[in-house]
Amino acid sequence: EVVLTQSPGTLSLSAGEGATLSCRASQSVPNNYLAWYQKRPGQAPRLLIHDASSRATGIPDRFSGSGSATDFTLTISRLDPEDSALYYCHQYGIAPHAFGRGTKLEIK
Amino acid sequence: EVQLLESGGGLVQPGGSLRLSCQAGGFIFSNYALSWVRHTPMRGLEWVSAIGADGKTHYPDSMRGRVTVSRDISRNMFYLQMNSLRADDTAVYYCAKEGPPPFFDYWGQGVLVTVSS
Repeated sequence: EVVLTQSPGTLSLSAGEGATLSCRASQSVPNNYLAWYQKRPGQAPRLLIHDASSRATGIPDRFSGSGSATDFTLTISRLDPEDSALYYCHQYGIAPHAFGRGTKLEIK
Repeated sequence: EVQLLESGGGLVQPGGSLRLSCQAGGFIFSNYALSWVRHTPMRGLEWVSAIGADGKTHYPDSMRGRVTVSRDISRNMFYLQMNSLRADDTAVYYCAKEGPPPFFDYWGQGVLVTVSS
């Protein structure tokens, strides 16, 4: 079973800055089958990135994903207050599905 | 437009049972896998179960034996039967459509399940 470790646990940044969120897998993820989701309070998760670096439909290009094998990164540029949320990574290359514990992004 | 609408949540006593439903629309239901995923502030997102496009069911070891997933293709309905519920099953439960590949591209709005006496 793949274990995903996200860091940092909490990130506090100012509007306009850039954010870098990390997701490390306990073993190599086949085909780089790694996704990122945004979760705001009271809302459903929203797919941001799939296949490690492919932006989902309608997601602004401020959001980008990179990485391969065991190390993956979500980068958010020009932070906006509405980016305040939890961010989860998800691997779907090896059964069962696994999620990281999340990174909380706070915009000061 | 893809639509997923959950129902059936509520308050249930420990040891009790509950069935969640998900009404799907806007896509060819039988062509895609569907999953149930739950969220709690403490544990984050957890995958609960899935039914593939081929009708095969899938469960994590932590849920196997306590939950059963099913679907009714004629009604575009997706179900989660949960038994022997415990306090730590308290969560918002989402139904989610899978790709392929099996990332979750669309989510319902979620339904709250509270297990408490």
